Amino acid sequence: SQQGEEDPQALSIQEGENATMNCSYKTSINNLQWYRQNSGRGLVHLILIRSNEREKHSGRLRVTLDTSKKSSSLLITASRAADTASYFCATITGANNLFFGTGTRLTVIP
Amino acid sequence: DTGVSQDPRHKITKRGQNVTFRCDPISEHNRLYWYRQTLGQGPEFLTYFQNEAQLEKSRLLSDRFSAERPKGSFSTLEIQRTEQGDSAMYLCASSLGQGDGNTIYFGEGSWLTVV
Repeated sequence: SQQGEEDPQALSIQEGENATMNCSYKTSINNLQWYRQNSGRGLVHLILIRSNEREKHSGRLRVTLDTSKKSSSLLITASRAADTASYFCATITGANNLFFGTGTRLTVIP
Repeated sequence: DTGVSQDPRHKITKRGQNVTFRCDPISEHNRLYWYRQTLGQGPEFLTYFQNEAQLEKSRLLSDRFSAERPKGSFSTLEIQRTEQGDSAMYLCASSLGQGDGNTIYFGEGSWLTVV
């Protein structure tokens, strides 16, 4: 079964706005990773945050992790039409396998 | 381009036929994973190799599915006697498995349609 759940399931914003997606998971983790998937394509790795980290930045991306609440958030600032995609969080447990949520479908309107 | 290569990208097969997918991981990555993804869902773990050893298999991997990684490099995933429920995208991924090597990189996937 899938470990994580993203919220919202779908998000539609105007270009230039910020997009925030949330992820909740069930068990303790080693790290959490965020991926992007364009329709019909493979997954592109965006950012990895370790269980002992609270926040991480990469370009227009900001990820937070709250292990006490078993939750993470992905913020995309100054969104672009090219950011339109599905975004997944995935957790790694001791078994070193990734478990994915069902994703957030982001639409950025030009 | 993540460097994980999958072939074929698309396969249409008749129910009951066997299909095989190939995955070439990023060079020197000792871990290789197979996932399956259906429309509107996140990828689901199927199996995982550390070098040539298959260390874990999901319950999703029925007896009709077999994966190999004979020399610890490329891997194949074979589905025997395909069923319509096998229609999905099969994703391969690889990682170094140490520190930041825990970053897992995915290929573009192999779409399977069983008619």
